[in-house]
Amino acid sequence: SAVISQKPSRDICQRGTSLTIQCQVDSQVTMMFWYRQQPGQSLTLIATANQGSEATYESGFVIDKFPISRPNLTFSTLTVSNMSPEDSSIYLCSVGGMGGWGYTFGSGTRLTVV
Amino acid sequence: GQQLNQSPQSMFIQEGEDVSMNCTSSSIFNTWLWYKQDPGEGPVLLIALYKAGELTSNGRLTAQFGITRKDSFLNISASIPSDVGIYFCAGQLYSGGGADGLTFGKGTHLIIQP
Repeated sequence: SAVISQKPSRDICQRGTSLTIQCQVDSQVTMMFWYRQQPGQSLTLIATANQGSEATYESGFVIDKFPISRPNLTFSTLTVSNMSPEDSSIYLCSVGGMGGWGYTFGSGTRLTVV
Repeated sequence: GQQLNQSPQSMFIQEGEDVSMNCTSSSIFNTWLWYKQDPGEGPVLLIALYKAGELTSNGRLTAQFGITRKDSFLNISASIPSDVGIYFCAGQLYSGGGADGLTFGKGTHLIIQP
């Protein structure tokens, strides 16, 4: 299965600022996804990062708040914009090939907004 | 969107006991997955199920994809201290554009008493 590196692993940010999270995969993958895990909660899909086109967002998530880039088949970024304390969560990158097998997650970015 | 009902929410068991947890959905999925998440880490895939009725084992873990494609269970036999953690079920659909992101259950928190 793919190996995923996420940066940063954690950060404490001031409200109103933005943070960009990077996800690097050690092999080319078709599908990349971004999830949010609020404190003590389960994972919620934010968006599918599409290579060469705009990301596909789930209900409740918008591009202005969570812009995503996917410049190639091994890399993606998620930006959390204009942060508020409610954005304090773990943000996780995941990959999966066609057919869905090998859904691997990065170790996550622990974001605290103060 | 789809929702997964995972139960139990938490389990307190003695070391050596068997564990059983399950997930149900109001809609069908093409793939069921079971993950374990340790503190400070991303979820790690335990078992993936691709066919209705499929029964798959991974060491002391056994999982089944329900015939109706709306449920799955995970069993852990002879629990050991390192089994402590949060277990998540997840379902996946394949839409016209390819594999969708995952829908997660709320998790089962497994606590083992020595």
